[in-house]
Amino acid sequence: KAGVTQTPRYLIKTRGQQVTLSCSPISGHRSVSWYQQTPGQGLQFLFEYFSETQRNKGNFPGRFSGRQFSNSRSEMNVSTLELGDSALYLCASREGQGGYNEQFFGPGTRLTVL
Amino acid sequence: AQSVTQLDSQVPVFEEAPVELRCNYSSSVSVYLFWYVQYPNQGLQLLLKYLSGSTLVKGINGFEAEFNKSQTSFHLRKPSVHISDTAEYFCAVSSLQGAQKLVFGQGTRLTINP
Repeated sequence: KAGVTQTPRYLIKTRGQQVTLSCSPISGHRSVSWYQQTPGQGLQFLFEYFSETQRNKGNFPGRFSGRQFSNSRSEMNVSTLELGDSALYLCASREGQGGYNEQFFGPGTRLTVL
Repeated sequence: AQSVTQLDSQVPVFEEAPVELRCNYSSSVSVYLFWYVQYPNQGLQLLLKYLSGSTLVKGINGFEAEFNKSQTSFHLRKPSVHISDTAEYFCAVSSLQGAQKLVFGQGTRLTINP
């Protein structure tokens, strides 16, 4: 099976712009989670989608949003970008929502905000 | 809520030496425990996980970890490291109920010197 894919791999934006990141989960996986990784804050949970519904949400402002499509592919959007949004955004998929299910991570999208 | 503390931000060791990466967690509910590895410019890969049963868990690449409930610890060990083990290692927990997201520690950078 193909792994989790994320596009684009690298992105440069300027403050105030918005950005959309895409994630294709492993075939058959219905849960997709997003994480932000920065040197200062480490890995932080953004949100999780399961069967097109947001199931869990981390402590991020409303500028961060996401959605999941019927084929389980997911997108996350960040509006009004700030310098602090520069980070590696990781997507992970798993078969079900249970915490015992292994999460498989994609390679990430590195976002740089200038 | 859960929290994870990785006691060492950096661990330098010589090749073929043993290594232990320390992880302590805090949680008011039972949790699953995980160790992930991140190689440069890549996503996270699961090394091993503790769900239940034997407290000694064996993972990939010769790593193992021991769950100690009384100490709330889940330390990662390898008896003999290789240059290829140079990477960042993350300890994570997920609750058995509720929002079953991964909560990560800050990571430990393992550097293997020849």
